[in-house]
Parts: sequence; C-alpha cells; structure tokens
Amino acid sequence: GAGVSQSPSNKVTEKGKDVELRCDPISGHTALYWYRQSLGQGLEFLIYFQGNSAPDKSGLPSDRFSAERTGGSVSTLTIQRTQQEDSAVYLCASSLLAGGPISYNEQFFGPGTRLTVL
Amino acid sequence: QQQVKQSPQSLIVQKGGISIINCAYENTAFDYFPWYQQFPGKGPALLIAIRPDVSEKKEGRFTISFNKSAKQFSLHIMDSQPGDSATYFCAASNSGGSNYKLTFGKGTLLTVNP
Repeated sequence: GAGVSQSPSNKVTEKGKDVELRCDPISGHTALYWYRQSLGQGLEFLIYFQGNSAPDKSGLPSDRFSAERTGGSVSTLTIQRTQQEDSAVYLCASSLLAGGPISYNEQFFGPGTRLTVL
Repeated sequence: QQQVKQSPQSLIVQKGGISIINCAYENTAFDYFPWYQQFPGKGPALLIAIRPDVSEKKEGRFTISFNKSAKQFSLHIMDSQPGDSATYFCAASNSGGSNYKLTFGKGTLLTVNP
C-alpha cells in the first residue's frame, strides 16, 4: 500500500499561532515516531508511540509541543504559541514494531511538513 | 552532547569514484546502525543497516564497515553515480531502550560529478 503520508506539506504561520501537523503511518505499523529536521542539522527525535500510548516523549522541546495518536493509526503533532525557532521540517516515521528482528524495526519516513513561523 | 558525529559535512566525488562517509558514536549501548539517504523535498529512506555482531555488510554498491572498539562506522559507496547525489545520514539506536528511536548524525551532502 501507500507509504507514510503527512499533511500539510507546507505550513506558514504567524508567531503565537497554534499549528497541527498530521501523520498517516503505513497500515499495520504499530510504532510511530516524530522527528524534527532543522536547517543544517540532523534529525532530532521528538516522540515515540507504540499503539496509542507514548512511552517516550523525551525529545519534545517544550510544553508547547504535544502529540497524540488515535486508533493506533493517525497521529497529530500540535505546537502551541509557535515561535520562530520552531521553523523546521517535521518528519514522521513508522515501523512494523519497535524491537524484535532487525527487519521489523526499519523506520519508513514520510515526506515531512515544512513549518515556517514568521 | 552530540552522540553521533558525522564527517565530512560535504563531499564531492567524480563518477565512478568511491565515496566514504564516517561516523563515530559515544553511547556504548547503541546496537543498531542504519544509514539513510535523503533527496531534496523527500523524507529519508533506509539504505543499509548493521548490527555490531558483524564488522562489514555489503548491499550492491553500498558497504558499511563497523569498528566496535573504536566506536566508529562508515559508509562506502563504490562506483559512485550522479544519481547517488543526496544527503546521507548515519544513525544509531539502542534496542535495549525498546523503542528504537534513532539518534542521527548531522548529515553529509554528497555530490557526484558526471
């Protein structure tokens, strides 16, 4: 089937506004990850979901960032009161499992949402 | 603290040449080391991955060399082609952490000239 999809592909917002970024993982993938890619930087881990629960939120940079996952599928990353330093590409990835044989853990990435905060 | 250091930041290679990208890690708990390839406007795609129980893994023109004692691993692209021009990221994770979250290097922009 289809790969990981993300929407919107681009989002321009004004400082102080809230934004929601959506991720549709590959069907059947139980693990879902959010990463952030800033200009000239590698990818930074934000949060990990196993099913609908988020056992690891250690990468969220502040309490303005939150995420949820429903039905073991779609995930939404919400950034409240956006700041200019939030400008980045937000990438979602999913994998069949987290743990077990190495092949089950390959993370498939979506194309990302480019967020620009003016 | 940058847990995975990647070099060089950019690399220019002639068609047919060998591209070599190096990474070093600090966390000895890391036990899964993938390389990702990213084209502009696209998400990263897994290229090849290795576990520390082997010192080398080859898939087609791509080879990972792994040195556990030195905590270093590298990607070799043989017979580099213009279509290989992309940004390459090394990464590492700790399966004992039970979630396989990836810690990435900062990336290498590879340009293969025709």
